[in-house]
Amino acid sequence: EVQLVESGGGLVKPGGSLRLSCAASGFTFSSYSINWVRQAPGKGLEWVSSISSTSGHIYYADSVKGRFTISRDNAKNSLYLQMNSLRAEDTAVYYCARGTTVTTGSFDIWGQGTMVTVSS
Amino acid sequence: QVVLTQSPSASASLGASVKLTCTLSSGHSSYAIAWHQQQPEKGPRYLMKLNSDGSHSKGDGIPDRFSGSSSGAERYLTISSLQSEDEADYYCQTWGTGIQVFGGGTKLTVL
Repeated sequence: EVQLVESGGGLVKPGGSLRLSCAASGFTFSSYSINWVRQAPGKGLEWVSSISSTSGHIYYADSVKGRFTISRDNAKNSLYLQMNSLRAEDTAVYYCARGTTVTTGSFDIWGQGTMVTVSS
Repeated sequence: QVVLTQSPSASASLGASVKLTCTLSSGHSSYAIAWHQQQPEKGPRYLMKLNSDGSHSKGDGIPDRFSGSSSGAERYLTISSLQSEDEADYYCQTWGTGIQVFGGGTKLTVL
């Protein structure tokens, strides 16, 4: 079964850090771009970051640039999101999603999400 | 930068059909989009990729009741024979080099 499973969410204080993980299975992970998308409570979907299949192309939304770092380990079929200097407005469910090409494309597989709460 | 516009809400009766719209901003009418469904308390699910010529490719297991079409800058998702489980939020998405964009979503209520 093609699957993405996120983990690492939790409660963190403003200014703190958190590292999210996304474990892939059922497909050749190294052949696809992977993305992070978040959804604040009661709000719509917001793209956060993308990484190409070989990590050669990395992009961020302006709202997280300079604070978040996306990375992947193709040997471990895993994607990561290091989140630093967290703010209350980063509170959201974070989803990983597979891109349909090596660099970009639509998102055809989604994980179930992991909740990040930034609060004192 | 491309912007996707969706109506915040729509409603239709059980067994009827509904057509949801996603509008691409000026100058971007050739863009392909994708449609995603998000049922309450669940993660999003990919429905289809929809090209500017109306051709579309659906995700695995997506019923024939879901179809897509295009006209100019408008991209449509039509759901026929509405079922209760179709009550959900529907998002359109497009992409370019270094950017991914979502519409604001349409909340579909099945009456």
